[in-house]
Amino acid sequence: QVQLVESGGGLVKPGGSLRLSCAASGFNFSDYYMSWIRQAPGKGLEWISYISSSGSTIYFAESVRGRFTISRDNAKNSLYLHMNSLRADDTAVYYCARDLVDPWGQGTLVTVSS
Amino acid sequence: QVVLTQSPSASASLGASVKLTCILSSGHSSYSIIWHQQQPEKGPRYLMKLSYDGTHIKGDGIPDRFSGSSSGPERYLTISSLQSEDEADYYCQTWGTGIRIFGGGTKLTVL
Repeated sequence: QVQLVESGGGLVKPGGSLRLSCAASGFNFSDYYMSWIRQAPGKGLEWISYISSSGSTIYFAESVRGRFTISRDNAKNSLYLHMNSLRADDTAVYYCARDLVDPWGQGTLVTVSS
Repeated sequence: QVVLTQSPSASASLGASVKLTCILSSGHSSYSIIWHQQQPEKGPRYLMKLSYDGTHIKGDGIPDRFSGSSSGPERYLTISSLQSEDEADYYCQTWGTGIRIFGGGTKLTVL
């Protein structure tokens, strides 16, 4: 069945970097746009970024533009989120999802704290 | 830019029906949306894609108790025969080129 599994979350100091990964299975990964969405503790959902199926088109939310990058490796059925200059307000559970299509992953927690 | 407005909370009794609303901002009444459910301590779950005319396509395994409808700028999610596991946060989402937008979510309490 279709499955998305995020990894790479953890505790990082302000100003630090982290790379999240999302392993996809059960569908033809290279056919789908993919998104990253996050949810700060006790808050709602916030879309961060999406990438086209080929990787040629990328967009970011203003809150992370210039600090985060998104990439994919269709040969490895994997999606990535590279996060730089992390701030306390980046603390959240980060989800990957097939863009505008089900399902979502289970999420990975990123905590930015000194 | 399109904005989605949801009531922060709603409640209904076990076995009853409830209708949740997502309102598209002025000038965007033709937009389709997606409804997502997030049960406590779980990740979101895609429920359905809902068009301006009320046609909707549900995700895999979504029960028939969940349905969608539309009227002008309003998009609705109706849950019938409420069960305890329907107690959750419900988010609507819409999209455009280069942007994806979520509503603030509605917390549904099943009494």
